[in-house]
Amino acid sequence: DVKVTQSSRYLVKRTGEKVFLECVQDMDHENMFWYRQDPGLGLRLIYFSYDVKMKEKGDIPEGYSVSREKKERFSLILESASTNQTSMYLCASSPFHEQYFGPGTRLTVT
Amino acid sequence: GQSLEQPSEVTAVEGAIVQINCTYQTSGFYGLSWYQQHDGGAPTFLSYNALDGLEETGRFSSFLSRSDSYGYLLLQELQMKDSASYFCAVADNAGNMLTFGGGTRLMVKP
Repeated sequence: DVKVTQSSRYLVKRTGEKVFLECVQDMDHENMFWYRQDPGLGLRLIYFSYDVKMKEKGDIPEGYSVSREKKERFSLILESASTNQTSMYLCASSPFHEQYFGPGTRLTVT
Repeated sequence: GQSLEQPSEVTAVEGAIVQINCTYQTSGFYGLSWYQQHDGGAPTFLSYNALDGLEETGRFSSFLSRSDSYGYLLLQELQMKDSASYFCAVADNAGNMLTFGGGTRLMVKP
C-alpha cells in the first residue's frame, strides 16, 4: 500500500513564525503536491513538484514556499505565518492520474 | 483558468441510487477524477475518466461527456458508510495537476 505521511496532525503557531510542514511518501512517485482545504472551497493547489528540486506554482502560492531535496520528501514552508493561513494542509503523491493523500495537518495560526 | 461546479449537498436513503453532477470550464482538459473524503479523513481516489462514456467499479460508476464539459458519479445500493464528501477534479495536463470542485456532501439516511 502507498503510504503518505505528514509530520504533524495538529499544529498551533503564532503570527509571524516560520512554519515547516513535511510530507514523506514511500512509493517512489515522481509527483508530489501541497493543497490547502477550507470549507466550501474544496482543495486548492499551493505547489506541485514533478522531480527533485523542481517545482511549479499552483493556484495559491502566495505566502508559501516549498523544498524538495529528496524524491520522497516534499516540504511546505510558511515564511511568516498569518491568521489567514489557518487551514487543513494536505500533501499528496502521484505516479500519474491517481493521487494518494496524507492524513493532513490542521494548522492554526493565532 | 479552471472552474468546476457541483452541488454542495445531497441527501438520499439507504439502498437508493444517487447521482452527483459536475460541470467544468477549463482552459485545457486531460481527464476527470472523483475522490471521496470522510469527515476527518484524507481524500481517496474513486475513479478517472479520460474518454467519453461510463466507467463502472462495483457500486460506483463515473460518466464523462467531453463535448458537454460534464460528468457525474453514480452511487448505487447506498450504504450508511457512503456518507462523505465527494469531489470532482479536472486534470488539465499530463503533469497531473488537478483542480478540485468545492465538494458535494452526501448524507445517507436509514
